[in-house]
Amino acid sequence: AQSVTQPDIHITVSEGASLELRCNYSYGATPYLFWYVQSPGQGLQLLLKYFSGDTLVQGIKGFEAEFKRSQSSFNLRKPSVHWSDAAEYFCAVGDYKLSFGAGTTVTVRA
Amino acid sequence: GAGVSQTPSNKVTEKGKYVELRCDPISGHTALYWYRQSLGQGPEFLIYFQGTGAADDSGLPNDRFFAVRPEGSVSTLKIQRTERGDSAVYLCASSLNQGNEQFFGPGTRLTVL
Repeated sequence: AQSVTQPDIHITVSEGASLELRCNYSYGATPYLFWYVQSPGQGLQLLLKYFSGDTLVQGIKGFEAEFKRSQSSFNLRKPSVHWSDAAEYFCAVGDYKLSFGAGTTVTVRA
Repeated sequence: GAGVSQTPSNKVTEKGKYVELRCDPISGHTALYWYRQSLGQGPEFLIYFQGTGAADDSGLPNDRFFAVRPEGSVSTLKIQRTERGDSAVYLCASSLNQGNEQFFGPGTRLTVL
């Protein structure tokens, strides 16, 4: 069975500081991995995805993620957060049938 | 171009009533998905259409839930005899084909009183 764990429910970070969101997955084969962002009242927006190849993936809005098969992880990072990055972030795994984690809420303080 | 649209954006109904939720996918996308997102949780898969047929409906919680996509475009999620536990945001997504990036709509917030 496929599943995702996001260990951090809520993270608070200062504007300009770095951000790392953790994601651990369980999947029977080579995983397709995704990070989505959801702002209040908005739909889910894809930040980046990993299908194969280079394990360091670049996405939109300055985000990147690293796939580590040995750790079953796909952590999301941003070197310097902006106030507009405050949102809920979801990690997902799957082919057509995505399994999502419970999400991490990011608060950005001035 | 237009993204995935869902109507209504909000639906309030009474326990026991029937509701229909509509999804208009991105034009040309053959794959369509329904998910349900409860408060404080991530989306949970309900059903996947490839064209007109339901290729995987394993996520539908029980037989009160049904979805159709008769012409391979618009889809309707139907819930009979609604229960308070059905209250959630219902999300629709579409992709060009199976396995491609899924584009999500804004969701329909269903409240069952």
